[in-house]
Amino acid sequence: EAGVAQSPRYKIIEKRQSVAFWCNPISGHATLYWYQQILGQGPKLLIQFQNNGVVDDSQLPKDRFSAERLKGVDSTLKIQPAKLEDSAVYLCASSLDTASGSTQYFGPGTRLTVL
Amino acid sequence: QKEVEQNSGPLSVPEGAIASLNCTYSDRVSQSFFWYRQYSGKSPELIMSIYSNGDKEDGRFTAQLNKASQYVSLLIRDSQPSDSATYLCAVNIPNDYKLSFGAGTTVTVRA
Repeated sequence: EAGVAQSPRYKIIEKRQSVAFWCNPISGHATLYWYQQILGQGPKLLIQFQNNGVVDDSQLPKDRFSAERLKGVDSTLKIQPAKLEDSAVYLCASSLDTASGSTQYFGPGTRLTVL
Repeated sequence: QKEVEQNSGPLSVPEGAIASLNCTYSDRVSQSFFWYRQYSGKSPELIMSIYSNGDKEDGRFTAQLNKASQYVSLLIRDSQPSDSATYLCAVNIPNDYKLSFGAGTTVTVRA
């Protein structure tokens, strides 16, 4: 079974530029998550989708971050414009559903450096 | 108060010893608890989940849960150099269906 796929793996941009990350979850997984992991910290949930609907985006900085999952499969996370503090690893994860205890499987992540 | 707290370490143990990692959480009604392992530069990988009070063993790993004390721990027996990683504690927040992660404990196993 293929795992969660993400691209690109690395991205370097200058502040105020825009960037987009792509995620393809495990086949059949209805729930998709985007996390931000700053060096030395645990992952922080940015947004959670159930199929193509948003379940939780309370910690997404909506003035600069946006995400979509139009067909309930792939998802894109965008940052526009980027700030220095956005330098982090962006992790995508998926799970079968939102049930308590449903295991989340993580992709390899995209390491973003904002100069 | 942070939702999930872990000792940041680093925790250094000799090869063959037991590594003991601790995690406390603030929400008394939390239902599900997970331990993820994260190697440097890699993504988190689930190694244990526990839902009921008591111990759960899987190979060299034992998770222990005490809901009354709001405490979950992970023991790694017969530690190997390949166990050197950061271990993340994650707790399910009821009704939100999302996980809250601790900052992680970095373990180094000395050969």
